[in-house]
Amino acid sequence: EAQVTQNPRYLITVTGKKLTVTCSQNMNHEYMSWYRQDPGLGLRQIYYSMNVEVTDKGDVPEGYKVSRKEKRNFPLILESPSPNQTSLYFCASSSPGGSYEQYFGPGTRLTVT
Amino acid sequence: GENVEQHPSTLSVQEGDSAVIKCTYSDSASNYFPWYKQELGKGPQLIIDIRSNVGEKKDQRIAVTLNKTAKHFSLHITETQPEDSAVYFCAASRDTGRRALTFGSGTRLQVQP
Repeated sequence: EAQVTQNPRYLITVTGKKLTVTCSQNMNHEYMSWYRQDPGLGLRQIYYSMNVEVTDKGDVPEGYKVSRKEKRNFPLILESPSPNQTSLYFCASSSPGGSYEQYFGPGTRLTVT
Repeated sequence: GENVEQHPSTLSVQEGDSAVIKCTYSDSASNYFPWYKQELGKGPQLIIDIRSNVGEKKDQRIAVTLNKTAKHFSLHITETQPEDSAVYFCAASRDTGRRALTFGSGTRLQVQP
């Protein structure tokens, strides 16, 4: 089954404790992206990657890092989480070419206390 | 940058009625306009999209219209069913490699049986 998976689905952590949210897709997509979803704000792009070893900032990159060492994986790293990063996070992937459809993962709900 | 406004934030209709959700965008260079449906506990899923060279697109009970001059686009759902209840997001994007989707704030649609 074609899908985007994220782990963990739920995470409660404390301020300053480094964490990684993993994202993996099995559709051989070159493009991957991270979004955060906050009430009343829709989804906002954090980082994106157009291919292996190619990443760039989205609209709200502060406090986040990413890496793209393999085509299928695109982890999101919070080096020193803060309470304002409490949010619902979505990973998405897309294939190059005419269709711009982005396939979203199930989401990771992060709470930073 | 792009700004997308979406109305209404909540919409309640009776089963069988039509539902209309409207969005406006600010960037005249945007040329791709998808609509996503998000069910509880899941990631957004594309339901229909339209490009700027098309004024209207229909897929069974769902249609999208685009007015480039006025910079607004709308989602129309006819013969609504309880399973249409979800949060709907509009989005806009330029046709660039970044593929950044700028989302509206979402509309919670409730279809009353």
